[in-house]
Amino acid sequence: DIVMTQSPDSLAVSLGERATINCKSSQSVLYSSNNKNYLAWYQQKPGQPPKLLIYWASTRESGVPDRFSGSGSGTDFTLTISSLQAEDVAVYYCQQYYSTPLFTFGPGTKVDIK
Amino acid sequence: QVQLQESGPGLVKPSQTLSLTCTVSGGSISSGGYYWSWIRQHPGKGLEWIGYIYYSGSTYYNPSLKSRVTISVDTSKNQFSLKLSSVTAADTAVYYCARDNMVRGVFDYWGQGTLVTVSS
Repeated sequence: DIVMTQSPDSLAVSLGERATINCKSSQSVLYSSNNKNYLAWYQQKPGQPPKLLIYWASTRESGVPDRFSGSGSGTDFTLTISSLQAEDVAVYYCQQYYSTPLFTFGPGTKVDIK
Repeated sequence: QVQLQESGPGLVKPSQTLSLTCTVSGGSISSGGYYWSWIRQHPGKGLEWIGYIYYSGSTYYNPSLKSRVTISVDTSKNQFSLKLSSVTAADTAVYYCARDNMVRGVFDYWGQGTLVTVSS
């Protein structure tokens, strides 16, 4: 299985400031045949299901604000919220789909307002 | 707009079988191009993919649960279902159904989730 880890476990950021979440996979999720990273990011607010934010490591889902961006390749990835808003308080998960259909998620990173 | 809705008992006794159904609206399961998944989340914990089914009936299960899981589809009702046998307290979780977009490989639509508690 591909094991996903995230850091930090939680972080508190002031409104308008940048939040950065890291995700690491136990093996590369980059497919050399198409040069795509099979890595997605989800946002989960309390009492709600996860919401897809980013796929292919850096492609924003339709309707997702452009303050959310994804980067990285191979085994190391980052989700950045460029200017934290109150509505961004949530838990964020990374997920690999390289080993489809054996999908695995990271443990989550909780983002709060400082 | 595709919507998914889980339904089923919220309380199951140990050793019994957990049964849930996901009803899909706003799109046809039979249209192809998507796998239909079950994912669970233990209280306060992360996400665990359980398995998925294609409209044709082909399935794939997480090896960690494979011996206890059955996923089936009823295209006439636009539903798919989960059965998890021999449950224990460790199976207490919020169970989500979700659509796996085959082109993009990600879960783009989710149900609201249903909490299933295993307790006598």
